[in-house]
Amino acid sequence: DQQVKQNSPSLSVQEGRISILNCDYTNSMFDYFLWYKKYPAEGPTFLISISSIKDKNEDGRFTVFLNKSAKHLSLHIVPSQPGDSAVYFCAASGVRTSYDKVIFGPGTSLSVIP
Amino acid sequence: DAGVTQSPTHLIKTRGQHVTLRCSPISGHKSVSWYQQVLGQGPQFIFQYYEKEERGRGNFPDRFSARQFPNYSSELNVNALLLGDSALYLCASSLFAGAPGELFFGEGSRLTVL
Repeated sequence: DQQVKQNSPSLSVQEGRISILNCDYTNSMFDYFLWYKKYPAEGPTFLISISSIKDKNEDGRFTVFLNKSAKHLSLHIVPSQPGDSAVYFCAASGVRTSYDKVIFGPGTSLSVIP
Repeated sequence: DAGVTQSPTHLIKTRGQHVTLRCSPISGHKSVSWYQQVLGQGPQFIFQYYEKEERGRGNFPDRFSARQFPNYSSELNVNALLLGDSALYLCASSLFAGAPGELFFGEGSRLTVL
């Protein structure tokens, strides 16, 4: 049973526009959420995180929104750049599920078209 | 500073063989986790070690084992290899255990089982 879902396997966006990547989770015990980016032949790299006590967190061009009632989070990238083309993983953990056991979604492949 | 290093980067084994994968965490990091990433899926948690003790185990058979050494490096061992064990094995390190935070991943070891 997939606890973290990313229902869009791929997304194409024009350079300069907004990219919105979505993620849904089923386990209400998750209270910490992360986004990772992965280029081919590299390991995932941390992008941004959000705790369940917040509903928004910003870091430069990246903003994560959390809707706890809907068990939904999204990553906004504005403006999108060709270097943002990568696979993006949504991940979750929690004090009751163990912060040490991070659960990843299947990923969304983002292509930013110049 | 060196990031998380893994060896070997690529290896080919045949069914029934044994494999050992190695990981050196970032200097100062005492927590090491192992993840398996099958093509088209997100990383799946296998083990987590902190201060040489196992703190978490994912839903993997007993053919999978790991250990952490006094210098905090780690080994993942897989016995009686199956075709389905073909995957990218990722090692991640972090400063602490039991608290929300980011994982720092290595580039992974690509295992192919023939």
